[in-house]
Amino acid sequence: GNSVTQMEGPVTLSEEAFLTINCTYTATGYPSLFWYVQYPGEGLQLLLKATKADDKGSNKGFEATYRKETTSFHLEKGSVQVSDSAVYFCALANNAGNMLTFGGGTRLMVKP
Amino acid sequence: GAVVSQHPSWVICKSGTSVKIECRSLDFQATTMFWYRQFPKQSLMLMATSNEGSKATYEQGVEKDKFLINHASLTLSTLTVTSAHPEDSSFYICSARGMNTEAFFGQGTRLTVV
Repeated sequence: GNSVTQMEGPVTLSEEAFLTINCTYTATGYPSLFWYVQYPGEGLQLLLKATKADDKGSNKGFEATYRKETTSFHLEKGSVQVSDSAVYFCALANNAGNMLTFGGGTRLMVKP
Repeated sequence: GAVVSQHPSWVICKSGTSVKIECRSLDFQATTMFWYRQFPKQSLMLMATSNEGSKATYEQGVEKDKFLINHASLTLSTLTVTSAHPEDSSFYICSARGMNTEAFFGQGTRLTVV
């Protein structure tokens, strides 16, 4: 079956530091890949996505590249801000796009 | 992007009572809706998938008689937690998708059973 593995948190960084949150997946076929962000007390918001190999999703300074050869979709940001503090979830959707499989989530804490 | 509204945002209920949570797609027709449960500091666990006009498909280990899901229209799905107990306290999140669209999430409902 499908599965998503992401690095455990919490990840604690200083403001303006470089961020990488690793995500690898196992899936049949050619899934779409997503990063969602959850701010405290809120639901999930789509951060970025990629639907095929070598696609790069980007939004709000965050980027992730769909690497089929390494089955990875690592999230990166060059300079984090305090407002980026949240929990980040990597997820994949099967070919029909009907169901999302989530990773365990990584809590990011950015200190001023 | 599309908007999914979930209501209420939080609810406190007494043990033994039932609680209904609504999930509405405000600007698109949601052919499929998903209900997730999230435990503190953990990921989302899919509880069930519902298609408009059909019975919900529950994931293994989820009691369908306890978590009643109704998807009577293309814009509304409800999750009713029946005879709630403290162990049902959790964060419940719905998501909705239309034909050929990605899934959009509601803001979640924090349920506390006392």
